[in-house]
Amino acid sequence: SQQGEEDPQALSIQEGENATMNCSYKTSINNLQWYRQNSGRGLVHLILIRSNEREKHSGRLRVTLDTSKKSSSLLITASRAADTASYFCATAPNTGGFKTIFGAGTRLFVKA
Amino acid sequence: GAVVSQHPSWVICKSGTSVKIECRSLDFQATTMFWYRQFPKQSLMLMATSNEGSKATYEQGVEKDKFLINHASLTLSTLTVTSAHPEDSSFYICSANGPKGLALETQYFGPGTRLLVL
Repeated sequence: SQQGEEDPQALSIQEGENATMNCSYKTSINNLQWYRQNSGRGLVHLILIRSNEREKHSGRLRVTLDTSKKSSSLLITASRAADTASYFCATAPNTGGFKTIFGAGTRLFVKA
Repeated sequence: GAVVSQHPSWVICKSGTSVKIECRSLDFQATTMFWYRQFPKQSLMLMATSNEGSKATYEQGVEKDKFLINHASLTLSTLTVTSAHPEDSSFYICSANGPKGLALETQYFGPGTRLLVL
């Protein structure tokens, strides 16, 4: 399978709570990226973390990367109803080229 | 900068017809573009890597004669779904690597094309 795995597959939380999504992948990578997709829409790039980085922040987003476990997590703090979307991790395998492989995604629903 | 467009944004066609989808990098040159397919409530599946001036590289399980890819210039790649059938109905998304000299590792995604085959 192309895809890595993400968990949970779906997450429902109250506004103001934190949301944590996890991603595991299969091959060695150059970088890992997180994207957001609103229903039926295109992708929005959230953050990129390189293989030699362990943690990165952007606003309310915090991403961690553990290359030894081939896993990453995305934390959204103080969630808002507008954060409701699907979140995907995507990896760039270090096999040459710039191919990007997407995880299965987590559907986040933030209740107002 | 680094905007990618797709045309059309949606298309409805009859079974057996062919449909062409265009992917353009509007303000930068992209030597490599990628085509993805996304079924409802699923993730994006990479179909093929499109390189300007050479044949596309297809992922395992993707029929190259079914999904024809042409990357005629540094700003345009096209995907043609030949003899479309209802099971080809999907959301097709293209992406292009970032402008040369900048973040090549960053992909910029088009808004997607929704195909419905009746």
